[in-house]
Amino acid sequence: GEDVEQSLFLSVREGDSSVINCTYTDSSSTYLYWYKQEPGAGLQLLTYIFSNMDMKQDQRLTVLLNKKDKHLSLRIADTQTGDSAIYFCAGARNQGGKLIFGQGTELSVKP
Amino acid sequence: DSGVTQTPKHLITATGQRVTLRCSPRSGDLSVYWYQQSLDQGLQFLIQYYNGEERAKGNILERFSAQQFPDLHSELNLSSLELGDSALYFCASSVRGGAGETQYFGPGTRLLVL
Repeated sequence: GEDVEQSLFLSVREGDSSVINCTYTDSSSTYLYWYKQEPGAGLQLLTYIFSNMDMKQDQRLTVLLNKKDKHLSLRIADTQTGDSAIYFCAGARNQGGKLIFGQGTELSVKP
Repeated sequence: DSGVTQTPKHLITATGQRVTLRCSPRSGDLSVYWYQQSLDQGLQFLIQYYNGEERAKGNILERFSAQQFPDLHSELNLSSLELGDSALYFCASSVRGGAGETQYFGPGTRLLVL
């Protein structure tokens, strides 16, 4: 079936790295995404990775994909207070565009 | 700003009522998606349209319906509202509606049913 799971909370200090984890059960998820939601705002796409990739780096963001364990992670380097938000991982199958979202991880960055 | 607009931003109504949420996709995008975000269910896909036709259906209740018009804007109709329908409703759009395409999300409509 379709299921995406994330831990609910993460607290880090400004300047540290943050690692947000996600596991998914649907091996048909071909595309995996990370979205950011700030308070009162919509969802902003941060980055995505195809299932045939192991890693993708985009400035301060690094996405790692372990297909064997169906585990996805988002690493934010040099975390800033402006990174405080809820981060959602989501998967999409090949045949359709609908996104299956995890519950979201609330990242709190303390100065 | 994603380019996707949603109106209204906030909506307060009573149980049993009917409301219509409106979405305008980004210029050039042919596909529109509706998602519901609630505390107990999280973010759930409701329905997708592509160029006026329904393409995929998710966990959308029978009391809810949607359509996409020739000008590509979409409306989500919620009827016989219940307290549990209180949620944030997001619209997203993408170019052709296929997997792997970036979905751009609107700011959402916050619905409160009293």
